[in-house]
Amino acid sequence: DQQVKQNSPSLSVQEGRISILNCDYTNSMFDYFLWYKKYPAEGPTFLISISSIKDKNEDGRFTVFLNKSAKHLSLHIVPSQPGDSAVYFCAASDPGTGGFKTIFGAGTRLFVKA
Amino acid sequence: DVKVTQSSRYLVKRTGEKVFLECVQDMDHENMFWYRQDPGLGLRLIYFSYDVKMKEKGDIPEGYSVSREKKERFSLILESASTNQTSMYLCASSLQGQAFFGQGTRLTVV
Repeated sequence: DQQVKQNSPSLSVQEGRISILNCDYTNSMFDYFLWYKKYPAEGPTFLISISSIKDKNEDGRFTVFLNKSAKHLSLHIVPSQPGDSAVYFCAASDPGTGGFKTIFGAGTRLFVKA
Repeated sequence: DVKVTQSSRYLVKRTGEKVFLECVQDMDHENMFWYRQDPGLGLRLIYFSYDVKMKEKGDIPEGYSVSREKKERFSLILESASTNQTSMYLCASSLQGQAFFGQGTRLTVV
């Protein structure tokens, strides 16, 4: 049973518009969440994170929102650029392992059209 | 600049072969991980290690083993490769919850 779920396999957005990628989790004990970006034939790279004591974290064009009551987080990219086209993985750090384990969602492929 | 290096980008092996995937990190991280990535399934943890000679099973350890003889090196071993082990394999090391990944090894078992 997946503890971190990304229900949209793909998303297509026009350049300059907002991209919103969603993620749901089932374990209320998760306390640290991350987003990774992956280009084809490369390993994932860290994008942005958020601790469960916050509800928003912003870094340039990227903002992550956390709604603990709904067990939901989202990544907003504004404005979207063609270079943002990639697979985005939502992840949660499993506190039951001292944070050693990171549990990943299935990923959402973002297409940004020029 | 942090670096995680996997020894091969592409590998083709025959069913039943013993396969070694090597990973080296230069960041002095204690935690290292092996994942496989399959379409629709995301990244699934195979094994991880939090210290030299220490290893822990992840979510899908069957058919795999690992070796961590030195802090910087974490090897994944497929004892007898099977076609269902055809996948993208990703090594990572981590610090304070943030993982740094290698470029991946695409393994095809024929």
